[in-house]
Amino acid sequence: SQELEQSPQSLIVQEGKNLTINCTSSKTLYGLYWYKQKYGEGLIFLMMLQKGGEEKSHEKITAKLDEKKQQSSLHITASQPSHAGIYLCGADPTSGTYKYIFGTGTRLKVLA
Amino acid sequence: GAVVSQHPSWVICKSGTSVKIECRSLDFQATTMFWYRQFPKQSLMLMATSNEGSKATYEQGVEKDKFLINHASLTLSTLTVTSAHPEDSSFYICSARDHARQPQHFGDGTRLSIL
Repeated sequence: SQELEQSPQSLIVQEGKNLTINCTSSKTLYGLYWYKQKYGEGLIFLMMLQKGGEEKSHEKITAKLDEKKQQSSLHITASQPSHAGIYLCGADPTSGTYKYIFGTGTRLKVLA
Repeated sequence: GAVVSQHPSWVICKSGTSVKIECRSLDFQATTMFWYRQFPKQSLMLMATSNEGSKATYEQGVEKDKFLINHASLTLSTLTVTSAHPEDSSFYICSARDHARQPQHFGDGTRLSIL
């Protein structure tokens, strides 16, 4: 079965530093979605990537999908304590399917 | 943006009680809704997928008679945990999606504690 590998598993950075989280699949993805979750809460949708080579930005967060549509990265510039949480990538493994596969998550802590 | 409301956010009840959790899409029609369970420090585990007007599709290992799912309209799905026991205590999250090319939008989750 297809899986998503997410790295690193956890990350502690000083406020103001940049960081990158990766999400890798062994097979081509139909769609890739990034979410953020705070402990004990639901998931907040960040960005959706569907085309090879696509890049999207929202405030200080940029997400990219590689040309082969097998790897995505989430980059945070000048991190702030408000960026802390768990970042999850989710993907549509094949066209037409309605359910995701999820990455294992990256726990981010930002030190003030 | 798309909003999904989940209610209640927290439930504490005695063993043997049945508990109903509601999931509503507030500003879009949810063709498909999903129910997840999350254990501490773990990723989401899909329990079932429900399409409006049809029976839910349960993942392997999830008891259909234990976790009853109803998706009666395009904006409402309910999960009923029947005869709940302490091992059913967990964080349950729903999500909704209007079609396969759009993201799932998640509720805020329900923390269920069975005494």
